[in-house]
Amino acid sequence: DADVTQTPRNRITKTGKRIMLECSQTKGHDRMYWYRQDPGLGLRLIYYSFDVKDINKGEISDGYSVSRQAQAKFSLSLESAIPNQTALYFCATSAPGTAAYEQYFGPGTRLTVT
Amino acid sequence: KQEVTQIPAALSVPEGENLVLNCSFTDSAIYNLQWFRQDPGKGLTSLLLIQSSQREQTSGRLNASLDKSSGRSTLYIAASQPGDSATYLCAVNNAGNMLTFGGGTRLMVKP
Repeated sequence: DADVTQTPRNRITKTGKRIMLECSQTKGHDRMYWYRQDPGLGLRLIYYSFDVKDINKGEISDGYSVSRQAQAKFSLSLESAIPNQTALYFCATSAPGTAAYEQYFGPGTRLTVT
Repeated sequence: KQEVTQIPAALSVPEGENLVLNCSFTDSAIYNLQWFRQDPGKGLTSLLLIQSSQREQTSGRLNASLDKSSGRSTLYIAASQPGDSATYLCAVNNAGNMLTFGGGTRLMVKP
């Protein structure tokens, strides 16, 4: 089984709808991240969380919110989806206390807002 | 603000060639640098991670180097194969917290 899973894998929604993307991990990592990737571009950080009580905005947090329900679960919400939020969304995890802070990524969620 | 640039944006080579992908970054105070592979419509696979105190890392046919002072990293792929065709992403970690990604190099290796 994959260490970092994302649901759904694909989603098409309409402008103005609320949508939630979910991420779960079995790696036991404290830190979790949400990124988005637009076609032909690298990933940009939306939000990150160091533990259940610590949530931080990333580079492009406007229009998004997050919830860290447990150490293993981190959800991303679009309160009122708009077409320019069409993108590929990735969740990632990392562990403090290791020298590398290497990040491990989920398979991604492809979101289309029409 | 850290900025990461990857050159070239796309590369097409015949099978068997050795090739170099380039990554440059503006802030040399980095914690580590990761190279990822991304297949179309898929997630990211970590290839190599170089810590700030290291000069290079090797895994099989891949070798990544890091020159912090000049703000550069290179990914060397030896004896390229069609299965190496993918997008390669470079990402810099400034504070152990978050990654700043380059735009990627889209590689095609032709049989």
